[in-house]
Amino acid sequence: QKEVEQDPGPLSVPEGAIVSLNCTYSNSAFQYFMWYRQYSRKGPELLMYTYSSGNKEDGRFTAQVDKSSKYISLFIRDSQPSDSATYLCAIIQGAQKLVFGQGTRLTINP
Amino acid sequence: GAGVSQSPSNKVTEKGKDVELRCDPISGHTALYWYRQRLGQGLEFLIYFQGNSAPDKSGLPSDRFSAERTGESVSTLTIQRTQQEDSAVYLCASSLAGGPNTQYFGPGTRLTVL
Repeated sequence: QKEVEQDPGPLSVPEGAIVSLNCTYSNSAFQYFMWYRQYSRKGPELLMYTYSSGNKEDGRFTAQVDKSSKYISLFIRDSQPSDSATYLCAIIQGAQKLVFGQGTRLTINP
Repeated sequence: GAGVSQSPSNKVTEKGKDVELRCDPISGHTALYWYRQRLGQGLEFLIYFQGNSAPDKSGLPSDRFSAERTGESVSTLTIQRTQQEDSAVYLCASSLAGGPNTQYFGPGTRLTVL
């Protein structure tokens, strides 16, 4: 079993829709959960991170962690064409190593 | 300020040749990481440097892979006797220190082994 599992998509939605991106993880000891956004032919950039359980909101983006079910989510409200990218969830393992999901390719259609 | 830079941006090589990939981290960042991203996949951790500590090499896939870092600056990832399965984007990241600090990624080097 992979440590972090993510549906690769692709996912295509109309502009303005609410987008839900999800990952599951295997080790209940993980504490830090991150979402990275990667545009084509660019390096990933950190979008949000959360510590332990709960929600974190930043503008149109909300990150959610459910430790009881080992499930992490990223919600994008009022999606824009500029949000089209690959979204990668990640956890920190052993205090420094990022373990990534496969990434979900998202397209927002105008 | 300047971000993480990597060179070359693209590298095409023949099977069996050695390649060197370079990473210039953000100035002042003591931690440096190398990851590999195969087509359509997430990133795989390769190696981590933190200051003068011994590097964490646990992600290197074989002894053909090695990396060095000079102090807290430039790092070089070397792949010897390249194989076709080494084709991937190699990404470097740096952060202020190890642990849950934000890792800033470079644009990557796209390696193609023919």
